[in-house]
Amino acid sequence: GDSVTQMEGPVTLSEEAFLTINCTYTATGYPSLFWYVQYPGEGLQLLLKATKADDKGSNKGFEATYRKETTSFHLEKGSVQVSDSAVYFCALADSSYKLIFGSGTRLLVRP
Amino acid sequence: DAGVIQSPRHEVTEMGQEVTLRCKPISGHDYLFWYRQTMMRGLELLIYFNNNVPIDDSGMPEDRFSAKMPNASFSTLKIQPSEPRDSAVYFCASKTGRDQPQHFGDGTRLSIL
Repeated sequence: GDSVTQMEGPVTLSEEAFLTINCTYTATGYPSLFWYVQYPGEGLQLLLKATKADDKGSNKGFEATYRKETTSFHLEKGSVQVSDSAVYFCALADSSYKLIFGSGTRLLVRP
Repeated sequence: DAGVIQSPRHEVTEMGQEVTLRCKPISGHDYLFWYRQTMMRGLELLIYFNNNVPIDDSGMPEDRFSAKMPNASFSTLKIQPSEPRDSAVYFCASKTGRDQPQHFGDGTRLSIL
């Protein structure tokens, strides 16, 4: 079945460092891909999405490109802030409209 | 715009009691999803509805769990009887359209003593 694999956390960075969180997927067909972020005590918020190969999603300085050839959707940010500390989830939407989530990656940014 | 609204935000009860979690989806959204989040198992899809009809309940862990959607603006997830291992954060989400994202509520943190 379809699945999403994320790099294990926690990822600890200093403020203004470059961020990459790896995400790869396995799917039949052509899924849509998403990154969600969860701040402590809150629900998941959509960060960005891409619906077809080579699409680049971007929001709040975060970017991810849908790479069909490598089945990847890695999340990047050029300069992280303390306020970016959260758990990040990669997900795919299959043809049945369900979201399949990765296990989440906790990011901790130190001042 | 109002987002997905869940109630209560926190629930603490003793095992054996009935628990009812409530969700109001975003107006106009025709899909509604119930998830459970735990440290051990991460995010699990329990059930989802389309136009108030349950489509896939294969994630519902046991017969103690039931979900209903009597109309387009309200859904409940019920656990009866509750057990300590049901302690988790339960999220509701709604969406419309194939490539549109799911919008999540803030969740209900459930503790069964």
